[in-house]
Order: sequence, then structure tokens, then C-alpha cells
Amino acid sequence: GAGVSQSPSNKVTEKGKDVELRCDPISGHTALYWYRQRLGQGLEFLIYFQGNSAPDKSGLPSDRFSAERTGESVSTLTIQRTQQEDSAVYLCASSLGEREGLETQYFGPGTRLLVL
Amino acid sequence: GENVEQHPSTLSVQEGDSAVIKCTYSDSASNYFPWYKQELGKGPQLIIDIRSNVGEKKDQRIAVTLNKTAKHFSLHITETQPEDSAVYFCAASKGSWGNKLVFGAGTILRVKS
Repeated sequence: GAGVSQSPSNKVTEKGKDVELRCDPISGHTALYWYRQRLGQGLEFLIYFQGNSAPDKSGLPSDRFSAERTGESVSTLTIQRTQQEDSAVYLCASSLGEREGLETQYFGPGTRLLVL
Repeated sequence: GENVEQHPSTLSVQEGDSAVIKCTYSDSASNYFPWYKQELGKGPQLIIDIRSNVGEKKDQRIAVTLNKTAKHFSLHITETQPEDSAVYFCAASKGSWGNKLVFGAGTILRVKS
């Protein structure tokens, strides 16, 4: 079946504008994750959803960042009043669940955000 | 919290040679260790993973070893090919609290033909 999809693939915005990034996980995957990857660096965890609940938001860098998930499917990551340091690739991953054997995370292609 | 260190940051090998990438982790509660390959402009792709109840796992030319006592794990690629050139990331998770992955900084692997 289809993998994780993300849209848009690229987004250029002006400083101070709000942006919304979308993630469509693999069908049937109950767990969904957002990560951020700055240029030339590893991935940083942002937030995790189990179903429509977010038990772990510990990686969100500021209150300008928020995310929601609906229908145990699509998730959106919103960045308000974007700053230049928000420029990065935002990656979404999903997994069947969180128990042993179900935890493998499959990543989407990412959204490349550039804040001018 | 968990911290994962990865070495080397860059690795150049001749086609056909082996490549080894090493990672150490700090949290002894971590029990799941995946390796991802990332090609330019793409998302990370899982290539192999290992759980803490296993010391070694192999899949064709790729193998991973885990030393729980020393808290380190390694990726071994044998008979490297030009298409193995990419950035490789190790990661660790506790298998609880949503299994968030803590990633190493990545290794740029170049296979010269």
C-alpha cells in the first residue's frame, strides 16, 4: 500500500507568516510522529500521537508550534509567526503501534520549509 | 534524557570494501535500535533494526551488532556498492512513552568506484 505522504513538499514563506504542514500516515497506523531536521543534522523529535491524543509534546520548541490529528489519520503541524530559525525539513513518521514488534517507524519524504 | 553519539561523521570506502558505523547511547533503558538510510532530498528509510534481547542481526550485506553492557551498537555493510552512498542515521528508543526515536548526527558514506 501507499507509504507516508506529506504536503506540501516545499514551502517558502515570509517571516511572521503562519504555515500548515500536512501528514497522511500509512493506513491503519495508530502512532504518528513529527520530527525536524535542520540542514546537515540529525532528526529532532517534536511530538507524538497515539490515535488522536498527543501524550508527548516535549519536543515542540515553542508555543508557536502546535499539531493536531483527526480521525486517527491525518495530522497537521502548524507554525505561527514563523522565524528564520524555523527553516528545516519537517518529517512525519507512522507506526502500527508502540508495543514491541509494532514500533517500526516509516517516514514520509518531508516538507522543506524556508522562511525568508 | 537519552543521548546518541555517532561516529564517524564522514566515511569514504572503495567499492567492495566494508564500512562500519558506530553509535553509543546513554540511557540503559533504551531497547530498540533502528538504522536509517537517507538519500538526498528524501525521507529516512529503515534498513535494519535490532532489539535489546538480540546481540546481532543480519540481512544480506547489512548487519547490526549490539553490546548492551557497553551501550553501543554498530552497522556493518559488506561488499559496498556505489548505491550505498547516502547518509546513515542510528537511533534509540525506550519502547515506551510512544517510542520517540533519539537520533545520532548521521554519517555521510561515500563509496568510490
